[in-house]
Amino acid sequence: QPVLTQSPSASASLGASVKLTCTLSSGHSSYAIAWHQQQPEKGPRYLMNLNSAGSHIKGDGIPDRFSGSSSGAERYLTISSLQSEDEADYYCQTWGTGPVVFGGGTKLTVL
Amino acid sequence: QLQVQESGPGLVKPSETLSLTCTVSGGSISSGSYYWAWIRQPPGKGLEWIGSIYYTGSTYYNPSLESRVTISVDTSRNQFSLKLSSVTAADTAVYYCARQASDTSGYPFDYWGQGTLVTVSS
Repeated sequence: QPVLTQSPSASASLGASVKLTCTLSSGHSSYAIAWHQQQPEKGPRYLMNLNSAGSHIKGDGIPDRFSGSSSGAERYLTISSLQSEDEADYYCQTWGTGPVVFGGGTKLTVL
Repeated sequence: QLQVQESGPGLVKPSETLSLTCTVSGGSISSGSYYWAWIRQPPGKGLEWIGSIYYTGSTYYNPSLESRVTISVDTSRNQFSLKLSSVTAADTAVYYCARQASDTSGYPFDYWGQGTLVTVSS
C-alpha cells in the first residue's frame, strides 16, 4: 500500500503564495490523492482531488486561490494570496486496493 | 448541502464498546457512488481511517482495527454507525464521520462531520 510523506511544517507571509508537497512512496507515483484542510479546533474540509496528470477537481465553495499540480510522485497544493484563515493543518489522502491512507499533515503558519 | 453529524457518548470505560452514530442530512445514504466512513484523530495527532460502508452493507476496514470494528448502516433512518470493542486509552480521539466518493476520480472524503471527542477512562 502507498505511504504519503508530508513536511511537518511550512510558513509564508500574508498575501504571499505557498506550495505544500505530498510525496507518494516508490511504486505508487500514478496514484491520485485528495487534499484536506483542518483549521484549528475544526473538522477537516475537503479541498480537492488531484491526479497524476495534475488535473484537479475542487470541493464545493473552495476558492480559486487553492490549486493543485503534480510532478512524478509529488502532489502539490498551492495557496495564493494567503489569508489569516489559511493557517491550518493540511492533509493528503490516497486509496488503492488496500486501506485508505493519510499523510502526517503539514502545519501551515501565516506570518 | 449535504451534512453529516456524529452523536454518541463522550466517555467510555476501558474494555467496553464505543458506539457512535452518524446522521446524514441533505442527501440520501442510499444514493450510489458513495461510501460512508469513520475516521479518528487522537489529540494532537494525525488522521486515521477506521473503515467504510456502502448502503448495501458492504464494508471494508483498516486492518489494524478490523478485529474490533463493526460498521453498520440503517437506510431507513439515513444513518450509519460505528462500534469499537475492547477500548483502551489509546482509542481516545475525536471521531469523524464522512462521505467517501466512489467513482472514476477515486475515493476522497468529500464531506466531513465536525467530529465528536470520545475519551476512554474509568
